Amino acid sequence: AQSVAQPEDQVNVAEGNPLTVKCTYSVSGNPYLFWYVQYPNRGLQFLLKYITGDNLVKGSYGFEAEFNKSQTSFHLKKPSALVSDSALYFCAVRDNAGGTSYGKLTFGQGTILTVHP
Amino acid sequence: DAGVTQSPTHLIKTRGQQVTLRCSPKSGHDTVSWYQQALGQGPQFIFQYYEEEERQRGNFPDRFSGHQFPNYSSELNVNALLLGDSALYLCASTHRDQGTQYFGPGTRLLVL
Repeated sequence: AQSVAQPEDQVNVAEGNPLTVKCTYSVSGNPYLFWYVQYPNRGLQFLLKYITGDNLVKGSYGFEAEFNKSQTSFHLKKPSALVSDSALYFCAVRDNAGGTSYGKLTFGQGTILTVHP
Repeated sequence: DAGVTQSPTHLIKTRGQQVTLRCSPKSGHDTVSWYQQALGQGPQFIFQYYEEEERQRGNFPDRFSGHQFPNYSSELNVNALLLGDSALYLCASTHRDQGTQYFGPGTRLLVL
């Protein structure tokens, strides 16, 4: 079974400061890892993904994430936060067991990011 | 390039009724997944359709059923609605070889 944990319900940062939103995962095979962002009353917007290769993944709007296999983590980062980054962030995992390129995403509970002016 | 679209945007039903939600995938996508997002929770996988067949299913009762049409659009049907079915229902599409699921804006269902 695959699972995702986002240990922080809320993260608060000042505008211009770096931000980190934490995510750890559990899968039986190799993980496909994703970050999505959700604005109020909206669907999920894809930010970035890790499939294989470089452990540092760059995505949309200046976000990046670092894959750490030994710690089974995939933390989302941004060097300089903007007020407009304030939203709900979800980490998700898909198990690549069997080599499938499809299948369900398992999401964490979400982390509310608030960036203060 | 149109993204994933869903209809209706909002829906109010009463307990015991049936509801049908609709989804049109992103252009070029052939796989559709449905998720239920309860308030304050992460999305939960309901099922996935590919080539008009249910390919994978999550832990949802048989009251939840779906369909995929030859043009890859999809429907989610929920019978005998319960108060606990109130949620945001999200549709996501992908191309079978790509892997990234792109989400629609969702349908918010309220069961009274």
